[in-house]
Amino acid sequence: DVKVTQSSRYLVKRTGEKVFLECVQDMDHENMFWYRQDPGLGLRLIYFSYDVKMKEKGDIPEGYSVSREKKERFSLILESASTNQTSMYLCASSLARDPTNTEAFFGQGTRLTVV
Amino acid sequence: AQTVTQSQPEMSVQEAETVTLSCTYDTSESDYYLFWYKQPPSRQMILVIRQEAYKQQNATENRFSVNFQKAAKSFSLKISDSQLGDAAMYFCAYRETSGSRLTFGEGTQLTVNP
Repeated sequence: DVKVTQSSRYLVKRTGEKVFLECVQDMDHENMFWYRQDPGLGLRLIYFSYDVKMKEKGDIPEGYSVSREKKERFSLILESASTNQTSMYLCASSLARDPTNTEAFFGQGTRLTVV
Repeated sequence: AQTVTQSQPEMSVQEAETVTLSCTYDTSESDYYLFWYKQPPSRQMILVIRQEAYKQQNATENRFSVNFQKAAKSFSLKISDSQLGDAAMYFCAYRETSGSRLTFGEGTQLTVNP
């Protein structure tokens, strides 16, 4: 079974704090993604990575950065958390080398509250 | 840029009845993939069904089937014999054949009434 694990299900941080959201996958997937989920807006892509140390901006990268030092781990960083970053964050991974294998696998999400 | 639109924020259905969730998308590509994902209260996203755009035949997975209208850029999900466990948020998603990123719609919250 593919497993994508996010380090926290719930997180409460203060405004201005540096926040790290961690995601680990155990299936040797090349692609990893960070999405933000808000009611009425669906899932919006923040950043994705297609290889170690490689990253691309998604649709809403402002206020976020990412790190991928190892293939299995993809971290989302909020350099200075703000209240408008209160949201659900979902990590996902997928295989790149088989174009017929299209499924993305998701973690269980981290609900972040910034106070 | 590709966009995916789900115009029904909420839907409800009686247990054992059939319900259809709507999705439209916009793309200039001719080959792509479309997906329906389910997110129950546990928050775990689960793939329900996928459709390759080059296939004219509509995908079917047990009680779940799609109506794929490529010219109209429409991709609806039909759930037959609805069960209480079908209650969830459903997301429609698009992916280019050559790419990896998924573009999601806004989601439809499905309630199943006993």
